[in-house]
Amino acid sequence: DAKTTQPNSMESNEEEPVHLPCNHSTISGTDYIHWYRQLPSQGPEYVIHGLTSNVNNRMASLAIAEDRKSSTLILHRATLRDAAVYYCILRDVGRDSNYQLIWGAGTKLIIKP
Amino acid sequence: DAGVIQSPRHEVTEMGQEVTLRCKPISGHNSLFWYRQTMMRGLELLIYFNNNVPIDDSGMPEDRFSAKMPNASFSTLKIQPSEPRDSAVYFCASAQGYIITDTQYFGPGTRLTVL
Repeated sequence: DAKTTQPNSMESNEEEPVHLPCNHSTISGTDYIHWYRQLPSQGPEYVIHGLTSNVNNRMASLAIAEDRKSSTLILHRATLRDAAVYYCILRDVGRDSNYQLIWGAGTKLIIKP
Repeated sequence: DAGVIQSPRHEVTEMGQEVTLRCKPISGHNSLFWYRQTMMRGLELLIYFNNNVPIDDSGMPEDRFSAKMPNASFSTLKIQPSEPRDSAVYFCASAQGYIITDTQYFGPGTRLTVL
């Protein structure tokens, strides 16, 4: 399975944009990039996913590098409620194990008031 | 929709006892996943079902663990006998299908402590 690398933690100020990086240099052409986050004492929740093009939804934006070896999750205006562990995950569309999300350690995002 | 429902939310038991964790997936979802989360190992997939059939149980740690899905609205994860190293938060998740873009929806988890 392709691997992702994320910083262990990041800090940001409230109401400022946050850019969470993810490196996936061994990504294959059929790997989708998924982001989930886990708020304290809760189960993970879906944030966004993409394949090649940048994606936007009500929660965040996903910017994917042209060579797809890295991506960035963008929270446009972070609030205290965005403090969580953010996971960058690859899912391969072509393999039997495509049901699975292979979880790394994630990035702990700390929001300062 | 109530989301994925798990019970109990907390369970404290003694080593050697049987533990049963329960999950009700979101109505209409065809895939169900059991995960375990610990500080040391992070989030690990234990087993997943599609249309009530176990597809891959390679993540189940050993024979003391078993999971069933008797119908589309209920699943159990059983540990017998339990050991202190089984202490963890156990999550159940469901998804509408099994295509690559299907979102997994997680329950609140069951925090298991084995003394």
